[in-house]
Order: sequence, then structure tokens, then C-alpha cells
Amino acid sequence: DTGVSQNPRHKITKRGQNVTFRCDPISEHNRLYWYRQTLGQGPEFLTYFQNEAQLEKSRLLSDRFSAERPKGSFSTLEIQRTEQGDSAMYLCASSLGTRKYEEQYFGPGTRLTVT
Amino acid sequence: RKEVEQDPGPFNVPEGATVAFNCTYSNSASQSFFWYRQDCRKEPKLLMSVYSSGNEDGRFTAQLNRASQYISLLIRDSKLSDSATYLCVVNRDSNYQLIWGAGTKLIIKP
Repeated sequence: DTGVSQNPRHKITKRGQNVTFRCDPISEHNRLYWYRQTLGQGPEFLTYFQNEAQLEKSRLLSDRFSAERPKGSFSTLEIQRTEQGDSAMYLCASSLGTRKYEEQYFGPGTRLTVT
Repeated sequence: RKEVEQDPGPFNVPEGATVAFNCTYSNSASQSFFWYRQDCRKEPKLLMSVYSSGNEDGRFTAQLNRASQYISLLIRDSKLSDSATYLCVVNRDSNYQLIWGAGTKLIIKP
């Protein structure tokens, strides 16, 4: 499978715990994006990487959230001290990186439930 | 006013019919537009980009109206498998962020 992959697919955690999600983009894609989606809403942009550089962060990304893409390949999204409001689907997408505005291709998402 | 607005639906349409829905956007500087479809509890999948001149892909036609700031999606000869939520996506200003509508739910009935 050469698409975007995400792990884990589901995560249930207790409030206050830290969680980390992983995204492996399509191999030749330079750009990687993280989104959050709640029921009945479209995805909300969280952050974006061009290779290993984190170029944009949404105001939604509080200081409890951190994302990395250390070697310009896979990325991790960590949420510290999880809150019930963090329950959502976390989606990763990637794009080629040759044009400013490009089609993005999504992974299957990680569904987080904070109890 | 939301940056990207869509009628949430649902649109209940008989199989074989033609259905169209619009999406309005607030930022006149937006330059990039897409339609994605999303099945229940799945990830969004790119349906088509929307070009200034309008574009067609099989049964699907997308159009852009810059003057009125909306994009449209037309589905002809609808199939049961077209049942999904259709998400309108627009770039924000000149940066890389894409702004997503909340989606229009389409249900094709046999």
C-alpha cells in the first residue's frame, strides 16, 4: 500500500495522559499536514510541514500539542495532558510539494477518545 | 459568517437523478478550490480540483463563479455509491492553509 498510513487507528486514553500518533506520508511527498475533525464538521487545519520544517501552526494548536517531522519523512503528533475536548479524529495528509496549492491525500485517521 | 459554507443537507435523491450543490466562500483572494467526498467514519478522498474554466470528470462537473464567490458540484446519473458527504475546500488567502466546509450529505435512494 503506497498511500498515507496512520497509527494507531484508535486510541482510548484517560484524561491527563499523553498520547502520540504517527503518520507516514506517501513516499515522494514533501508536504505533510495534520488536521482534526469532529462529528459533523469538516477537518480543521492544525499544522503543516515542508520536509522537516514546520512552517505553519493553527491557533487551535495549544501548547499541549506538538508535532515533529525529524527526517522529513514520517511525522508524530503528541498531545500532552489530554482533555475530553481533545476527543476527535486526527487526520494526516500529504502532498507532492511542487505547487503552492495542491491536492492533499489523506490517511485513515486516528480516532482519539479521552475518557 | 463562516469562511466556507455548505448546505448540510441531507439531499435525498433517487438513483439516476441529477443533483447539484453549491458552496460559498468569503475570501475573494482564494485561488484554489477542491471537492472531496467522505464516507461515514472514513477519511476525505479527493474528488476533483475546481478550475476557473470549470471541469468535468465522468458524471461529475465542477464550476467556479468568482464574481459570486461560490463553487458548485453537479452529479449526473447518480449511483447508490455516490451516497457520501461532499466537502468543499478553499485555500485561505495566500498561505497553504485549506479551509473546509462542514460538508453536504447526499443520500441516493434506490
